[in-house]
Amino acid sequence: EDKVVQSPLSLVVHEGDTVTLNCSYEVTNFRSLLWYKQEKKAPTFLFMLTSSGIEKKSGRLSSILDKKELSSILNITATQTGDSAIYLCAVERETSGSRLTFGEGTQLTVNP
Amino acid sequence: DSGVTQTPKHLITATGQRVTLRCSPRSGDLSVYWYQQSLDQGLQFLIQYYNGEERAKGNILERFSAQQFPDLHSELNLSSLELGDSALYFCASSMDGYNEQFFGPGTRLTVL
Repeated sequence: EDKVVQSPLSLVVHEGDTVTLNCSYEVTNFRSLLWYKQEKKAPTFLFMLTSSGIEKKSGRLSSILDKKELSSILNITATQTGDSAIYLCAVERETSGSRLTFGEGTQLTVNP
Repeated sequence: DSGVTQTPKHLITATGQRVTLRCSPRSGDLSVYWYQQSLDQGLQFLIQYYNGEERAKGNILERFSAQQFPDLHSELNLSSLELGDSALYFCASSMDGYNEQFFGPGTRLTVL
């Protein structure tokens, strides 16, 4: 069974800090790893990392996939209060269909 | 706003009842996914449809069923409801069933 473990489960920082969120996975026939941000309701897509795209960046957010270590990190620099959310990591396996297996998430709180 | 719509936003019903949740995917997306999010289980994949056909199945109970119609909207039917079915039900869509998934706002189901 596919497994995704995120750490830390909870993190409290001050505005302006840099944070690193971790995700490790076990999946048969890995296809991709995705990061989502969940605020009040629906998860919002951030990044998708694959064997052909192991590093992504968008503004203050960046993510790297380490296929050897079966892990990924999500970095947020110069954090803002608006970054407070649950960050979810999910993996997808190579099958005829597509299903995401999610981790528990990291609850990030950014205080002013 | 992801472009995925779900109705209703909230649903309160009694044990033993049957409900239908509705989802319209983003314009152009052919694949629809259903997920259940509860406090103790996190986000769990239920089922995927692609262009009207079932493509992948996850931890979906026999009391639950889904379908995708020719206009690509999807419905998730939950029957013989139990207290434990209370959760947030998300629909997501993707272009071709292999790219990133975009989530709708969810339907919060409360079974009393």
